Amino acid sequence: NAGVMQNPRHLVRRRGQEARLRCSPMKGHSHVYWYRQLPEEGLKFMVYLQKENIIDESGMPKERFSAEFPKEGPSILRIQQVVRGDSAAYFCASSPDSPSTDTQYFGPGTRLTVL
Amino acid sequence: DQQVKQNSPSLSVQEGRISILNCDYTNSMFDYFLWYKKYPAEGPTFLISISSIKDKNEDGRFTVFLNKSAKHLSLHIVPSQPGDSAVYFCAASAGTDSGGYQKVTFGTGTKLQVIP
Repeated sequence: NAGVMQNPRHLVRRRGQEARLRCSPMKGHSHVYWYRQLPEEGLKFMVYLQKENIIDESGMPKERFSAEFPKEGPSILRIQQVVRGDSAAYFCASSPDSPSTDTQYFGPGTRLTVL
Repeated sequence: DQQVKQNSPSLSVQEGRISILNCDYTNSMFDYFLWYKKYPAEGPTFLISISSIKDKNEDGRFTVFLNKSAKHLSLHIVPSQPGDSAVYFCAASAGTDSGGYQKVTFGTGTKLQVIP
């Protein structure tokens, strides 16, 4: 059973470009979560999605950031017009269909560097 | 507002000894607590959890203790091994009994180094 997959593992963008981060949850998982880890900080919740629905986006910056989890394909975290402060590790996690568990399985992360 | 706090950014322990990692929380609605372990360049992996109806949960070398009145939990690793060297995140969520979703809030992590 493959784990949570994220790609790319490393992404370099110049200021003003767009960054697209992909996450494929574990097989059978329909709940996806995105977190951001800034240097020397902990994991900060960004958004929780189920298939085709955003359930909780309270951790997402109001501008430039968006997320989707289409019926087919991976979840996408999109950052428009990136700035240096967006440089961080972005982790995706997934959990089983049952909403009663809070054990989340994490991917290896995408390390975004904005030049 | 840091609702889950890990006040020790780092900890060094000799191999074979006990490692004790601490975590404090402020939200009295939290009722489910988890510890995750993270190696460099990898995602966090789930280690052990505890529900608020318990005060202790044990899994092999790992034991988590919960003191609800003090809003404090700790992770004990006995005996510590060099392979335990990693960053450990404490996490908490609220409202799991209802079967509904509640956001998981993470602490800032404690970097454990086990010295051979």
